[in-house]
Amino acid sequence: QKEVEQNSGPLSVPEGAIASLNCTYSDRGSQSFFWYRQYSGKSPELIMFIYSNGDKEDGRFTAQLNKASQYVSLLIRDSQPSDSATYLCAVMGSGYSTLTFGKGTMLLVSP
Amino acid sequence: ETGVTQSPTHLIKTRGQQVTLRCSSQSGHNTVSWYQQALGQGPQFIFQYYREEENGRGNFPPRFSGLQFPNYSSELNVNALELDDSALYLCASSQVTNEQFFGPGTRLTVL
Repeated sequence: QKEVEQNSGPLSVPEGAIASLNCTYSDRGSQSFFWYRQYSGKSPELIMFIYSNGDKEDGRFTAQLNKASQYVSLLIRDSQPSDSATYLCAVMGSGYSTLTFGKGTMLLVSP
Repeated sequence: ETGVTQSPTHLIKTRGQQVTLRCSSQSGHNTVSWYQQALGQGPQFIFQYYREEENGRGNFPPRFSGLQFPNYSSELNVNALELDDSALYLCASSQVTNEQFFGPGTRLTVL
């Protein structure tokens, strides 16, 4: 069974700090990796995706992928209170184009 | 460009009843995936439709069924509702293996 693991948190960081969110996955055949942000009571919002080993930067967000270690991470620079949300890691396998999600990590950014 | 829409927003049903949830995909997207998100959990894949055919199914019983229409909109039907079916039901649209974008969700409460 494909599994995606995340620390549930909460991860607390002060405003302006770097938040580091981590995710591991069990299926070595996984091809694509996604980070979603979900505010309480809302639906997930896609913020980053990465397909190749290495880093991918988009504004304050950097996704990092290491397929050998089956590890993907999301760095948020200059964290803002508005970044406080649950961050969901999702993995897409080589079969159906469906997503397997972790349970999410709650991030709290204090002013 | 129109985003993913879902209806209704909220729904209250009693055990044993049947429910139909609706989803309109984002313009240009031909694939719709349905997910169930219980409180405090990540979304769990129910099934996916591509060009009106079921293109994969998660670990859900047959009382969960679906349809996709020629305009790529979709329905999720759940028969014989159980208390554990209470959850946020999410529809996501995509272009086959590309990034999936979620609608606002339908909150189903089963009493």
